[in-house]
Amino acid sequence: EIVLTQSPEFQSVTPKDKVTITCRASQSIGSNLHWYQQKPDQSPKLVIRYASQSVSGVPSRFSGSGSGTDFTLTIHSLEAEDAATYYCHQSSSLPWTLGPGTKVEIK
Amino acid sequence: QVQLQESGPGLVKPSGTLSLTCAVSGASIRSSNWWTWVRQPPGKGLEWIGEVFHSEITNYNPSLKSRLTMSVDKSKNQFSLKLSSVTAADTAVYYCARGGDISRALDSWGQGTLVTVSS
Repeated sequence: EIVLTQSPEFQSVTPKDKVTITCRASQSIGSNLHWYQQKPDQSPKLVIRYASQSVSGVPSRFSGSGSGTDFTLTIHSLEAEDAATYYCHQSSSLPWTLGPGTKVEIK
Repeated sequence: QVQLQESGPGLVKPSGTLSLTCAVSGASIRSSNWWTWVRQPPGKGLEWIGEVFHSEITNYNPSLKSRLTMSVDKSKNQFSLKLSSVTAADTAVYYCARGGDISRALDSWGQGTLVTVSS
């Protein structure tokens, strides 16, 4: 089973800051990595697919990069509505697995 | 716009069977998608449970496989989850979601339903 680790676990940031979240896979997964945003008491929402592909309806301040084992989700110029927990998800090798999450809090 | 809606008992007794259904609207269950279940214990992260294709092909999380059954009902445009021999550790919010044919990225989610295992 591929294990995904995320860092940091928690981040407290100011609006307009740039936020960077890292996801590392225990073995190479190519670009089969997706990112989700989960706001409190809501369902997760897909924000990036295939490591760097944008998703329709998601603000352009969200971007992704990486391949192999190291991936990054970047939120450029954070807005208050971006307060959420972010999860990475690999679909390279069954069973699909998700990272433990990174909570982004607004100061 | 695709919508998914979970339904089922909110309380299940230990050693019993958890049964949930996900009704799909705005898309056909026969489309080239993987119909997926994900769960989230209270205050914890997301766990992939498994997925089913309209042809009844399934992929399960090995940690749950011995207790798990997923199926599709094409006539009702819905899919289902059954988890047997439940314990308190199975208490969670259960989400159904739609996964891409190739990508498996989960692009549509239900609102989730809390299932508590307790006597």
